[in-house]
Formats: sequence, structure tokens, C-alpha cells
Amino acid sequence: DADVTQTPRNRITKTGKRIMLECSQTKGHDRMYWYRQDPGLGLRLIYYSFDVKDINKGEISDGYSVSRQAQAKFSLSLESAIPNQTALYFCATSDSGGQYFGPGTRLTVT
Amino acid sequence: QKEVEQNSGPLSVPEGAIASLNCTYSDRGSQSFFWYRQYSGKSPELIMSIYSNGDKEDGRFTAQLNKASQYVSLLIRDSQPSDSATYLCAVNFFGNEKLTFGTGTRLTIIP
Repeated sequence: DADVTQTPRNRITKTGKRIMLECSQTKGHDRMYWYRQDPGLGLRLIYYSFDVKDINKGEISDGYSVSRQAQAKFSLSLESAIPNQTALYFCATSDSGGQYFGPGTRLTVT
Repeated sequence: QKEVEQNSGPLSVPEGAIASLNCTYSDRGSQSFFWYRQYSGKSPELIMSIYSNGDKEDGRFTAQLNKASQYVSLLIRDSQPSDSATYLCAVNFFGNEKLTFGTGTRLTIIP
């Protein structure tokens, strides 16, 4: 079984809809991250969490919110999706060294 | 602004040759350095980490770090078509618990 899982893997939604992306991990890591990846822009950090009670904004947090339900679960929400949030979204975990990524969610907002 | 710079490529290398990928970073106090491989449409995969000056070898991969010149490189020996991917450099800047990623270098191995 994969160490870091993301659901859904693909999602098409309409402008204005609320959507939640979920991430679970079995690596036992305390640190979890949400990134988006756009062509030519690389990976950009949205939010990160170092434990259940610690949530921090990344460089592009506007329009997003997160919830750390447990050590193993970190969810990303788009409260009112807009087309420029169309991207590939990755969850990652770390134990203070390198980060380990989930398979990604391809989100399209029409 | 802490930055990580990579040549976007594409970099084309014949099969069996050595591929050399380079990365520069802006903060002299950076502590940890990572190389990721990302196939098209897939997630980044951690392939190398390096923390001190010099070379670190793992199979066909060698990471090289020069903190004085603020660059880190990745060498891939005996390049294979399966090495064709985008390679991301990531840096953990001093006092910062996050990673900053470069935009990646696209590598193509020509059979």
C-alpha cells in the first residue's frame, strides 16, 4: 500500500463550488504539506502543518483552507473554486528531512 | 526572497553518457539539499539528499555540494531512457522548516 494517499485523484468541478481534497499517510510523520503545481511555475506551498495543533500558511494560501484531523490526515478545501485554481495538487509528508509526495490530485475548475 | 535556480532545459543526453544537472541557491546559510525526479503527470520522487560539502554517491547517481559557491549538482552515470524526466532541486534554507523548490530541468535521454 502507498505511504501517502490522496483522494480524489481527478476532479472536475464548477466555479463557485466547494471542494475538499484529502490526504492520508502511514509513514508516521508529523509534518504535512499541501502544494500546487502549474506548468512553468514549479511547486508552490499552500499550507503546512508540523503537528495536529500547528497550521501555517504557505506562499499562496488565499482561497484555500486546511484541516489537520489527525497526525495522519490533512485536508485541503477550496471554499469557492475559481478557474485559476485548476492545477495539480500534491500532499507531502516529512520527518524533518526530505519530503515524500502523494500521487496528486488533478483538479479542473470550469 | 530565497530562491532556487535551475536551467529549465530541455537537456538532451545520449544513452550511456553522463547527465549533469545544476542548481544554484540564494542563501549561503542553507543546510539541506534534495534532488527529486518527476515523470510527466506523476508526483516528485526523492532520489538524493546531501547535507555537507563534497560528493555523495548512490548507485548511478552522485550529488555534489559546494556551499561556498552556492551550488548543488546531480550527475547521472550510464544514462538510461528511463532517466528521462524532470529533475527538481530543493533547498532547506537556514532557520526555515520548509523546502524551496526550483522549477526543474527536463532531461531527455536519447537512445
